[in-house]
Amino acid sequence: KNQVEQSPQSLIILEGKNCTLQCNYTVSPFSNLRWYKQDTGRGPVSLTIMTFSENTKSNGRYTATLDADTKQSSLHITASQLSDSASYICVVSVADSNYQLIWGAGTKLIIKP
Amino acid sequence: GAGVSQSPRYKVAKRGQDVALRCDPISGHVSLFWYQQALGQGPEFLTYFQNEAQLDKSGLPSDRFFAERPEGSVSTLKIQRTQQEDSAVYLCASSPGPISGNTIYFGEGSWLTVV
Repeated sequence: KNQVEQSPQSLIILEGKNCTLQCNYTVSPFSNLRWYKQDTGRGPVSLTIMTFSENTKSNGRYTATLDADTKQSSLHITASQLSDSASYICVVSVADSNYQLIWGAGTKLIIKP
Repeated sequence: GAGVSQSPRYKVAKRGQDVALRCDPISGHVSLFWYQQALGQGPEFLTYFQNEAQLDKSGLPSDRFFAERPEGSVSTLKIQRTQQEDSAVYLCASSPGPISGNTIYFGEGSWLTVV
């Protein structure tokens, strides 16, 4: 069964600290992996998209890594800011579909001043 | 427009009432999705359009839910005889083509509360 699991479910850190969010997937055949940021009450916003041949991709203070062998991805946030408080969702595309996405439940991140 | 636009942003419906939620995708985008998102959960797939063709409606919870995109641009999600369990955020998303390698852009959602 195609699944995406994220950990931790929630995380609280102090402003300025770094953090890493995890995503494990069992999706086959794999096409690409996306990280989305969703602020409370807003729609998801794309942070990164990675294919199986890409090991890392950065978007400002966000860096995503992908290990296609172990089927794991991480999202690292550097020097966190209050505006980083949001849910971060890992999403995997299925290769033999033009539209099928497998969604994780998300990690709720809270940045405290 | 610059992004995916959804309306209404907020809707309170009495149980049994019909509602219609509108989505204006980014101009020229071929793919259009509807998702349902419960509080604290990830989005759940409802239906997918490629231009005007509804290629997958397997996620629609019941026959009270109906979606259309008659001219391949604007889409409407209709919910008949609303029930309390229909309360959720309904997200619309669009993409230039097949999602492989393409960014998917989401609207801000339509928040539906059934009372």
